[in-house]
Amino acid sequence: AQSVTQLGSHVSVSEGALVLLRCNYSSSVPPYLFWYVQYPNQGLQLLLKYTSAATLVKGINGFEAEFKKSETSFHLTKPSAHMSDAAEYFCAVSERGVTGGGNKLTFGTGTQLKVEL
Amino acid sequence: DAGVTQSPTHLIKTRGQQVTLRCSPKSGHDTVSWYQQALGQGPQFIFQYYEEEERQRGNFPDRFSGHQFPNYSSELNVNALLLGDSALYLCASSLRVYQETQYFGPGTRLLVL
Repeated sequence: AQSVTQLGSHVSVSEGALVLLRCNYSSSVPPYLFWYVQYPNQGLQLLLKYTSAATLVKGINGFEAEFKKSETSFHLTKPSAHMSDAAEYFCAVSERGVTGGGNKLTFGTGTQLKVEL
Repeated sequence: DAGVTQSPTHLIKTRGQQVTLRCSPKSGHDTVSWYQQALGQGPQFIFQYYEEEERQRGNFPDRFSGHQFPNYSSELNVNALLLGDSALYLCASSLRVYQETQYFGPGTRLLVL
């Protein structure tokens, strides 16, 4: 069974500071990994995904994440936070190569990012 | 290029009633998945439809059922509503061949009183 753990349900940073949101996964097979962002009263928007190519993945809005197999981690970073980054961020995992069963996503519990002036 | 659309946006029901939520996938997509997101939680997988059949199901009771139509749109039905069914219901679509990425709709917020 696959699972995701997001450390820190709330993270607060100053505008212009580094953003680091942590995600650790558990999967019995090589995983696909995703970060989604959710703004208030909206659905989920895909930020970036890891599917097997480069371990450093670049996404939208200046975010990037690094897949570290040895640490079973996929932490999300952004060099300089902006007020508009305030939102909830979800890490998710699905199992690679699953056929018939499709690509069910298993999500973490989310991290609420607050950006302060 | 239309994204995933869901209707209605909000819904209020009372315990014991039945509800139907609707989803149209992103243009060109043929697979629809449904998720339940309770307040303060991450989304939980309900089930997935492809070729008008339920292909995979999460840990939800059979009060939750669905359907996929020939045009790939989908419905989620919930019978005998409980207070605990209050949540944001998210629909996601994907293209089977490139199945690793799902695109989400804005969701339907259901309140059960």
